[in-house]
Amino acid sequence: QKEVEQDPGPLSVPEGAIVSLNCTYSNSAFQYFMWYRQYSRKGPELLMYTYSSGNKEDGRFTAQVDKSSKYISLFIRDSQPSDSATYLCAMSAQGAQKLVFGQGTRLTINP
Amino acid sequence: DADVTQTPRNRITKTGKRIMLECSQTKGHDRMYWYRQDPGLGLRLIYYSFDVKDINKGEISDGYSVSRQAQAKFSLSLESAIPNQTALYFCATSVTGGNQPQHFGDGTRLSIL
Repeated sequence: QKEVEQDPGPLSVPEGAIVSLNCTYSNSAFQYFMWYRQYSRKGPELLMYTYSSGNKEDGRFTAQVDKSSKYISLFIRDSQPSDSATYLCAMSAQGAQKLVFGQGTRLTINP
Repeated sequence: DADVTQTPRNRITKTGKRIMLECSQTKGHDRMYWYRQDPGLGLRLIYYSFDVKDINKGEISDGYSVSRQAQAKFSLSLESAIPNQTALYFCATSVTGGNQPQHFGDGTRLSIL
């Protein structure tokens, strides 16, 4: 079993929809959670960075962590075609020197 | 200019050839990483370096070697390329300390025939 599981999609939604992207994990020591966005032919770029449980909001993006369920989510409100990309979750334990990545979910927002 | 620059961006080569992928950064970060990305498998860590004198194997280091020539430069070599090393390769950097986010270059698309 992989430490981090992420539905690879592809996920296709109409413009303006609310998108929910999710990852589950098995290591209860994970405390730092990140979401990266990767456009085609580009490297992943950091989108959200959260610590422990709770929500963090940045514009149209909300990152949510539920440590009791070992489940993290990224919500995109009022989705735009420019949000079309692959989204990767990543996480690490306290003091860990490496990140563990999910497989990535490919998202397409249709105009 | 990009903070993390990878060269070449694309490379096609033949089985058995030696290949070097290069990464340079202007972010001033001490830590550098090499990953490969394959469809359905996500990012897998090949090697990482916490400073010029520190090199560590990742989860899939077999068939690869690295060199940290300076704080800003970290190269990845395939000594004798094989077709299943066809993938996207990414270099990343981070500041010192645990749990730091990583910053990626735009990758090298490598095809081995």
